[in-house]
Amino acid sequence: GQQVMQIPQYQHVQEGEDFTTYCNSSTTLSNIQWYKQRPGGHPVFLIQLVKSGEVKKQKRLTFQFGEAKKNSSLHITATQTTDVGTYFCAQGGFKTIFGAGTRLFVKA
Amino acid sequence: GAVVSQHPSWVICKSGTSVKIECRSLDFQATTMFWYRQFPKQSLMLMATSNEGSKATYEQGVEKDKFLINHASLTLSTLTVTSAHPEDSSFYICSASAGPEQFFGPGTRLTVL
Repeated sequence: GQQVMQIPQYQHVQEGEDFTTYCNSSTTLSNIQWYKQRPGGHPVFLIQLVKSGEVKKQKRLTFQFGEAKKNSSLHITATQTTDVGTYFCAQGGFKTIFGAGTRLFVKA
Repeated sequence: GAVVSQHPSWVICKSGTSVKIECRSLDFQATTMFWYRQFPKQSLMLMATSNEGSKATYEQGVEKDKFLINHASLTLSTLTVTSAHPEDSSFYICSASAGPEQFFGPGTRLTVL
């Protein structure tokens, strides 16, 4: 079945640095969703992107959906310690299929 | 947002016993719920789709006789891990959809001794 590949697997940043995680699919996606899972917690829905080339912002988070609808990215500007967690992209649809996730570590 | 609860939040059991996990949508009706399993530092793996009033749909590689799913009502789905073994130890999470958004339960951490 379809799979979404996500990189990097993990990233360590200094507080205040930017962070980006990338998601790629070999096939066209109807939509892409992003989730955040704090350590010990459950995934929390952040956003869904549907349109080709779509860009959405939530405060310091910027989400992009590629023109071909095969890739997506999540960019965090000026990371804070509260950003720590694992960020998952997911192929939305009737069933939600998750990417491997990117674990973000932020050093104060 | 919509709330999904899970019970118990954690359970420790002996090998060979069965464990039932409940998933409830508290403020909305869910004709479909999903069960995931997550091993430490790994992604969520979809196990099955739970359909109210009909049989669950299992993903490839998931044993339906070992992981029994019952969607008894529009607000309740249960996952029973039968004859649990240590390799079944994992974090089990359910979710339900309300529109495009998936709401996840808090998860159940199962440890099989």
